[in-house]
Amino acid sequence: EVQLVESGGGLVKPGGSLRLSCEASEFTFSVFSMDWVRQAPGKGLEWVSSISSTSNHIFYADSVKGRFTISRDNSKNSVYLQMNSLRAEDTAVYYCARESPHFPSGWNDLDFWGQGTLVTVSS
Amino acid sequence: EIVLTQSPGTLSLSPGERATLSCRASETISSRYLAWYQQRPGQSPRLLIYSASVRATGIPDRFSGSGSGTDFTLTISRLEPEDFAVYYCQQYVSSPLTFGGGTKVDIK
Repeated sequence: EVQLVESGGGLVKPGGSLRLSCEASEFTFSVFSMDWVRQAPGKGLEWVSSISSTSNHIFYADSVKGRFTISRDNSKNSVYLQMNSLRAEDTAVYYCARESPHFPSGWNDLDFWGQGTLVTVSS
Repeated sequence: EIVLTQSPGTLSLSPGERATLSCRASETISSRYLAWYQQRPGQSPRLLIYSASVRATGIPDRFSGSGSGTDFTLTISRLEPEDFAVYYCQQYVSSPLTFGGGTKVDIK
């Protein structure tokens, strides 16, 4: 069974930084694009960022562009989200998700999700 | 940015009833790029439908998706107790990927 396990969340002050990690198992991580999606408390889902299998295509939501950096290490089956200049509005549960293999090119749906890690930005 | 508007915000129904959820896009999108997710309380989202009408692996056939252009629908033919949850549509035509605001299906 595909597993995605996020870690690295916590309480951080406004302007601070945090690095989230997502470790994948039970699938060939190196061939899949990976995404981060967040959910503020009591709110809906917001896509944050995506990275292709070889890291040659990277995309960000406007709300995080210039502050967050997505990366991956295929040798460690892991994807990361470096979050800098954090704001109160970044408070959310951050989910790591796998883009499905349903289509060989272009964007895909998100077929597996981790359990999420909570990031709280507060003074 | 493609905006997805889901309606209604909340749907109050009884077990065994039929649920019809709507997702309207701000511009025409190919049905290949429309998905539906279910999120139960305290859980992560789960993929239900992709390409507007294809059930994901393990999803019961009481869930069906339809639509094209700007109007898409998720139908749950007979609600089971475990179906009371929040449902989101998502487009993945282009960045930024966007989700609808969600429809909560709760017990009447």
